[in-house]
Amino acid sequence: DGGITQSPKYLFRKEGQNVTLSCEQNLNHDAMYWYRQDPGQGLRLIYYSQIVNDFQKGDIAEGYSVSREKKESFPLTVTSAQKNPTAFYLCASSMGSGSHYEQYFGPGTRLTVT
Amino acid sequence: SQQGEEDPQALSIQEGENATMNCSYKTSINNLQWYRQNSGRGLVHLILIRSNEREKHSGRLRVTLDTSKKSSSLLITASRAADTASYFCATDARNRDDKIIFGKGTRLHILP
Repeated sequence: DGGITQSPKYLFRKEGQNVTLSCEQNLNHDAMYWYRQDPGQGLRLIYYSQIVNDFQKGDIAEGYSVSREKKESFPLTVTSAQKNPTAFYLCASSMGSGSHYEQYFGPGTRLTVT
Repeated sequence: SQQGEEDPQALSIQEGENATMNCSYKTSINNLQWYRQNSGRGLVHLILIRSNEREKHSGRLRVTLDTSKKSSSLLITASRAADTASYFCATDARNRDDKIIFGKGTRLHILP
């Protein structure tokens, strides 16, 4: 069953703690993305990776970190430096990077920090 | 760095009617995509239209692109309750082709 998975679906953390969100795909896609979505808003790009062992900052990278050690995996760490971490986080992948490739999305992780 | 902007922000129509959503963007693009998001879920790709195309169809969906007006529209014909969702357009980032930028979306509600 091919697809992209994110875990967990809901995550609760105390302020000041780092937390890592998981994203795995078995679509053999080269490119992977992390987006943040706030209520009633569109998606904002946090980080993206076009190939293994390489990644670039998106529009709102401050307070986040990523790694891409394996093609299938692109975990996102929300650090204590992120001022407003409570949000819905979406991971996506595509065959290649660029606007001519459709992106496949995971089901999302809803993070609540109190 | 928002590129596409959907209009209206929210739309409620009766089941069976047609729904039209619009997307305007600021700079020239290579491609424009439309996605659907059901509440609390990930996005699902609907249609990609290239800058040299004017219209594309997929089932009950029809997308048009007018590059002279820098706008696109998504038409859903004979709407159903299951079409209730948010719809987003996504375009090339300005001067960048390695990522896309999403608008804020149109929330569509189909009334029974």
